[in-house]
Amino acid sequence: DTGVSQDPRHKITKRGQNVTFRCDPISEHNRLYWYRQTLGQGPEFLTYFQNEAQLEKSRLLSDRFSAERPKGSFSTLEIQRTEQGDSAMYLCASSFIPSLNTEAFFGQGTRLTVV
Amino acid sequence: EDQVTQSPEALRLQEGESSSLNCSYTVSGLRGLFWYRQDPGKGPEFLFTLYSAGEEKEKERLKATLTKKESFLHITAPKPEDSATYLCAVQQTSYDKVIFGPGTSLSVIP
Repeated sequence: DTGVSQDPRHKITKRGQNVTFRCDPISEHNRLYWYRQTLGQGPEFLTYFQNEAQLEKSRLLSDRFSAERPKGSFSTLEIQRTEQGDSAMYLCASSFIPSLNTEAFFGQGTRLTVV
Repeated sequence: EDQVTQSPEALRLQEGESSSLNCSYTVSGLRGLFWYRQDPGKGPEFLFTLYSAGEEKEKERLKATLTKKESFLHITAPKPEDSATYLCAVQQTSYDKVIFGPGTSLSVIP
């Protein structure tokens, strides 16, 4: 198992374009999180899945953001009509619930730059 | 609403100078408190999970402790390679989301 994998690592896009990121969690992990992180801040919760069910979506997340996890395996995060304020690191993490140990393991992130 | 705060925001230490980082949290019930290390441009790396007040975990020069309202990450005789941002996070129940604090940026000067 190689850990949580995110693709692409870097994405530069023009304002108004749509972008999609992919996350492959650790196999057997049924919980998957998406976070956004800007410079000097901690990861900000966006949404999470338990298997294929999206359990919660942050109130801060606009309708331009959508996430899916078909079949409870990999997940995609799509941002429509990107804005400069969307520039950030997008992090994916996975864990196994229920378990004695519920810590989440992170991927290396996708760095999005909107120009 | 669940909240996690960390102090100080930044800490600069001389190599070998021990210190502690603080994480304060407000949740109605705590399932777990997590410490992560994050290097620039990379994803957070898991360090410790603490589940109950009084619990302690150690790893090399790091020791994490937990009380009912806060956690401390003690760094003993730090080395330059310990320089990173240290993040604290909490989970209210096993089925709840994990909420992060803003982090403490640690610099260890040779």
